[in-house]
Amino acid sequence: NAGVMQNPRHLVRRRGQEARLRCSPMKGHSHVYWYRQLPEEGLKFMVYLQKENIIDESGMPKERFSAEFPKEGPSILRIQQVVRGDSAAYFCASQDSYNSPLHFGNGTRLTVT
Amino acid sequence: GENVEQHPSTLSVQEGDSAVIKCTYSDSASNYFPWYKQELGKGPQLIIDIRSNVGEKKDQRIAVTLNKTAKHFSLHITETQPEDSAVYFCAARGGTYDKVIFGPGTSLSVIP
Repeated sequence: NAGVMQNPRHLVRRRGQEARLRCSPMKGHSHVYWYRQLPEEGLKFMVYLQKENIIDESGMPKERFSAEFPKEGPSILRIQQVVRGDSAAYFCASQDSYNSPLHFGNGTRLTVT
Repeated sequence: GENVEQHPSTLSVQEGDSAVIKCTYSDSASNYFPWYKQELGKGPQLIIDIRSNVGEKKDQRIAVTLNKTAKHFSLHITETQPEDSAVYFCAARGGTYDKVIFGPGTSLSVIP
């Protein structure tokens, strides 16, 4: 049973471009979280999704950031018009129900030049 | 919403000694408290968790204690080894929609 898969592992974008980060949860998992981690810092909650629904997006900036978890396919975190401050590691985690442990992927490291 | 604090931010111990990391949480309704270990370049890995109906849980060299009244929980690592060196995060599930909120992390160094 494969773990949580994130791709790409590394992503370089110029200021103003769009970044798309993908997350395939563990098999059978219908809950996905996205977290952001700056160097030497902790994991900041961004958004919590279940299949086709956004449950809580209170940690996500209201502009330029969006997330989805469609019925088929991976969860996508989309950042439009990236700025240097968006450079960070973005981690996805999945769980099979709200009361079960989170399993993390190895992250996507976004660098904005 | 839920807020999790964690101390110390860095910890150095000699190999074989014990390490203790402490966390506090703010939402008295929180009911699940996992601990994660993150190695360089990797995602966090769950190492142990505890639910609010239990006061203590142990798994080999790792133990976690929970004091619901005081709203704090701790991670204890005994007989530390160099491979225990990593960043450790505590977390709590609570607040609106039961999302998992993490503490700021503790960088543990085990000196051979």
